[in-house]
Amino acid sequence: EVQLLESGGGLVQPGGSLRLSCAASGFTFSTCAMSWVRQAPGKGLEWVSTISDSTENTYYADSVKGRFTISRDNSKNTLYLQMSSLRADDTAVYSCAKSYGRLGVAGSRYFHHWGQGTLVTVSS
Amino acid sequence: DIQMTQSPSSLSASVGDRVTITCRASQGISNYLAWYQQKPGKVPKLLIYAASTLQSGVPSRFSGSRSGTDFSLTISSLQPEDVATYYCQKYDSAPWTFGQGTKVEIK
Repeated sequence: EVQLLESGGGLVQPGGSLRLSCAASGFTFSTCAMSWVRQAPGKGLEWVSTISDSTENTYYADSVKGRFTISRDNSKNTLYLQMSSLRADDTAVYSCAKSYGRLGVAGSRYFHHWGQGTLVTVSS
Repeated sequence: DIQMTQSPSSLSASVGDRVTITCRASQGISNYLAWYQQKPGKVPKLLIYAASTLQSGVPSRFSGSRSGTDFSLTISSLQPEDVATYYCQKYDSAPWTFGQGTKVEIK
């Protein structure tokens, strides 16, 4: 059974930093692209960032580019999101999502499984 | 960037009604379009990928179609357990943009 377990959320002041983790199990982690998606309270889904299975390629939404860094450790089956220069509008539940397969296969890029998410609140 | 315009933003229908949600891409994305269902307080669930392929385990009353850059999600006979917000998403290339969502309620 695929499991994605996020951690690292919490309350942080504007301008602060936070590192989220997503522990994966139940599938071959190194063969799937991984992503972060966020959902602000009462709002819709917003794609944040995606990293290829091989870690070579990373992609970011314009709203987080230059402030967030996605990474992964395939030896630890773990996905990360380093967030810095946090703003109030970054407040959201952050969820990791597993693609069906490798990023290089366009037909495999849809989000096959999602984690429960971790809440990040940016407030003074 | 390609924009995804989803409509309506909400709808209310009776049990047994046929319900259709549409998603329009501002440019061609081939059939790289997925639909997700998010029930209140729950994680999004994949319903359809490749515009019209039903994910395993999803009831057959759900279907997807494509006409050029217009995509549709249809529930053939709305059930009480279908109350949720539905999102489309393009996944041809970055950014993996979601539609604004459609909240489906029972009348």
